[in-house]
This record gives sequence, C-alpha cells and structure tokens, in this order.
Amino acid sequence: QKEVEQDPGPLSVPEGAIVSLNCTYSNSAFQYFMWYRQYSRKGPELLMYTYSSGNKEDGRFTAQVDKSSKYISLFIRDSQPSDSATYLCAMSAPGNNDMRFGAGTRLTVKP
Amino acid sequence: DSGVTQTPKHLITATGQRVTLRCSPRSGDLSVYWYQQSLDQGLQFLIQYYNGEERAKGNILERFSAQQFPDLHSELNLSSLELGDSALYFCASSEAPSGGNTIYFGEGSWLTVV
Repeated sequence: QKEVEQDPGPLSVPEGAIVSLNCTYSNSAFQYFMWYRQYSRKGPELLMYTYSSGNKEDGRFTAQVDKSSKYISLFIRDSQPSDSATYLCAMSAPGNNDMRFGAGTRLTVKP
Repeated sequence: DSGVTQTPKHLITATGQRVTLRCSPRSGDLSVYWYQQSLDQGLQFLIQYYNGEERAKGNILERFSAQQFPDLHSELNLSSLELGDSALYFCASSEAPSGGNTIYFGEGSWLTVV
C-alpha cells in the first residue's frame, strides 16, 4: 500500500462545475497537508496549506482534512479552463519536511 | 516565479554517462530538496539538505549523490545513467527543515537518457 493514494484521473468537467479532488493516506503522523498545482510539467506551485484537521478556504478553493478517516479533499468552485492542470496532494509529519506526494490528478476544464 | 533556479533546463545524455544538476534556492532558504518525477512513479523524494548537512534521505539510488555548498546552492550528481533515469528532476527549498514549512519548487531539469 502506498503511503499516499490519489486517483490519477484524468478528470474532465465543464466550465463552472464544482470539482472534488481527494487523497487518502496511511501514516497517522502526518500533520501538514498541502495541495500543489502543476501545469504541463512545470514546477509544482503551492495552492493550499492546512495544519491538522479542518477546513480552509481561499477564493474558489476549499481544502478539507479529516484525520480520523485519513482523508483530504480539495474543492474547486466555478471551475475555469485556467484550472486545467495536475493537482498533487502532499503531506508531512512534524520534525521532518520530506513531504510525501500523491500521484497527482490530471484535471481538464472544458469551456 | 518561485525564486528557485535550476540548471540546465534540458539535458540529453547517453547511458553510462554522468551528469550534474544545479540548484540555487530562494534567497534566505536554508533547506534544499531534490525530487524525481517520472510518468509512472509520480513525484519521488530523493534527498534533503539543511545548511550544508544531509537532513533526510528518500528513494535515492546509490548511483546518485548530492551536496549543498556553503553558499547554499546544491548539486545532484547522477552517474552510470540508465534509460530508466530519464525523468524531470525538481529542486525545492524552504526556510527551515522541519515539517510544516512551505517548500517552493524550481522549474525542473528534464533529463533524457538515450
């Protein structure tokens, strides 16, 4: 079993749709949870950062962490063609920063 | 622009050869990370340095080595290259080495082994 599981997709939605991206993990030591966006093999850029459980909202993006279920989600509201990218979940434990990444979900938002 | 600079951007070399990838971290960041991204393996953590010292080691092959210099730039050396080493190699940096610190990625070095 991989430490971090993420459905690679691909996921295709129409413009304006709500997108839900998810990851599960097995290491209960993870406390820091991140979502990165990567455009066509460019460097990943940090989108959302959450510590421990709970929700965090930033514009059209909402990140949720459920530590009891070892499950994290990223929601994108009113999706735009410019959101088309690969989304990677990442997580790390206190004391070290060797983050573990999911495989990435490739999202296409069609106009 | 994340502020992390990687060179070269693209590299084509033959099997058995040795290459060096270079990374300059963001100004003020003391910790440097190397990741490998291939189509079938996703983003794999290789190694982390903090202020010149190795901090954490991931799935780095013995044929690969890295170091961080006093000016904080880092180099990843890949030797006895095999076709399977073809991948995008990312450098990332953060201010501190501990969990929870945001890490910023460079644009990557695309290595093709032929």
